[in-house]
Amino acid sequence: IAGITQAPTSQILAAGRRMTLRCTQDMRHNAMYWYRQDLGLGLRLIHYSNTAGTTGKGEVPDGYSVSRANTDDFPLTLASAVPSQTSVYFCASGTEQTQYFGPGTRLLVL
Amino acid sequence: GEDVEQSLFLSVREGDSSVINCTYTDSSSTYLYWYKQEPGAGLQLLTYIFSNMDMKQDQRLTVLLNKKDKHLSLRIADTQTGDSAIYFCAEATSNTGKLIFGQGTTLQVKP
Repeated sequence: IAGITQAPTSQILAAGRRMTLRCTQDMRHNAMYWYRQDLGLGLRLIHYSNTAGTTGKGEVPDGYSVSRANTDDFPLTLASAVPSQTSVYFCASGTEQTQYFGPGTRLLVL
Repeated sequence: GEDVEQSLFLSVREGDSSVINCTYTDSSSTYLYWYKQEPGAGLQLLTYIFSNMDMKQDQRLTVLLNKKDKHLSLRIADTQTGDSAIYFCAEATSNTGKLIFGQGTTLQVKP
């Protein structure tokens, strides 16, 4: 593994289903982030974690949950997906100065 | 709250210079960033500048920061077709490391 990986690459999901987006980094960064990207809105922060064992809410946290059991992994869970959660989801990890992004997960909720 | 604004589109001819502008509102920003996103890909960090700097140059890229006016610009010299992408400006909110992104500027480079 080099950098940040995300899985799946893309997913079509029925509304009401539960879904976990996976994110793993091998750079030993303390901080990790989840963003969603929507046309015309740029990237918006969903949740973040400054270090293993802690999480915090970003700008658009409703309908999403995260956990940070260890340094490397930061999964994002949609408990009951809704069509408005159709988006491209990016995971990032970083230092105090910079953030590095994964390749993204394209999610379509029907 | 914090806000970052960018123009949505810029078109230039190959070989010309491109200048992408960004304004932000948080006067306590510590770092400001430029990211590049190619179609279907993630965000690639291009460069960043610390808030106490006025300018940073890295090969074809020049970042100018006017802290008084809260204005950030990215100049790409000798723009190439491979520079066609969406460019995002972002600021780091003070003491949190969280980034606030602009909407992105689509750069179109014509041959």
